[in-house]
Amino acid sequence: NAGVTQTPKFQVLKTGQSMTLQCAQDMNHEYMSWYRQDPGMGLRLIHYSVGAGITDQGEVPNGYNVSRSTTEDFPLRLLSAAPSQTSVYFCASRGTGGHNQPQHFGDGTRLSIL
Amino acid sequence: AQTVTQSQPEMSVQEAETVTLSCTYDTSESNYYLFWYKQPPSRQMILVIRQEAYKQQNATENRFSVNFQKAAKSFSLKISDSQLGDTAMYFCAFIGNQGGKLIFGQGTELSVKP
Repeated sequence: NAGVTQTPKFQVLKTGQSMTLQCAQDMNHEYMSWYRQDPGMGLRLIHYSVGAGITDQGEVPNGYNVSRSTTEDFPLRLLSAAPSQTSVYFCASRGTGGHNQPQHFGDGTRLSIL
Repeated sequence: AQTVTQSQPEMSVQEAETVTLSCTYDTSESNYYLFWYKQPPSRQMILVIRQEAYKQQNATENRFSVNFQKAAKSFSLKISDSQLGDTAMYFCAFIGNQGGKLIFGQGTELSVKP
């Protein structure tokens, strides 16, 4: 049972480069989301999706794009990386049994922008 | 907008003693859910305990319990008989019944000392 799988685990980019962080879940969860974790700021919501074909912005969406073409996958795209996007990124999913359902998190991606 | 505040960036406790981590939140909703997540050095996000706002009884999970004060919008976590494995970052989180966004506090870094 893989749960939520994030790739890559580590990445170093140069300013201006683009890349996609991958997230896949095998639990048939409708809700998926992306967070970034920075020291002293907790986890902040970037984008989220309530189902295939539906996405919405979170607290810090600027500089990031998402799409949800399938239930399983929710990639996060950085179109032009900036040093301010250096962070640890987490993908999470949860089922539709209600808002009290726990989020299942991936292991995170540590991203450094030089 | 909902906010979650953890006012203790760092705490330490001796092994076998009890420690309480504080969390306050702000919301205009009457029904919602609160969570405590643990993040050990491995970076995994682990659900510790959850509380539904409509339940007056405080949630308990083995050595972990909460003190939920709805009127004061307070949701503290008590860890009894602290163990070295409890050393981690702890995050308080909120989700309202009207939206799917899980909002996190800034985190409290707990060190359990032998």
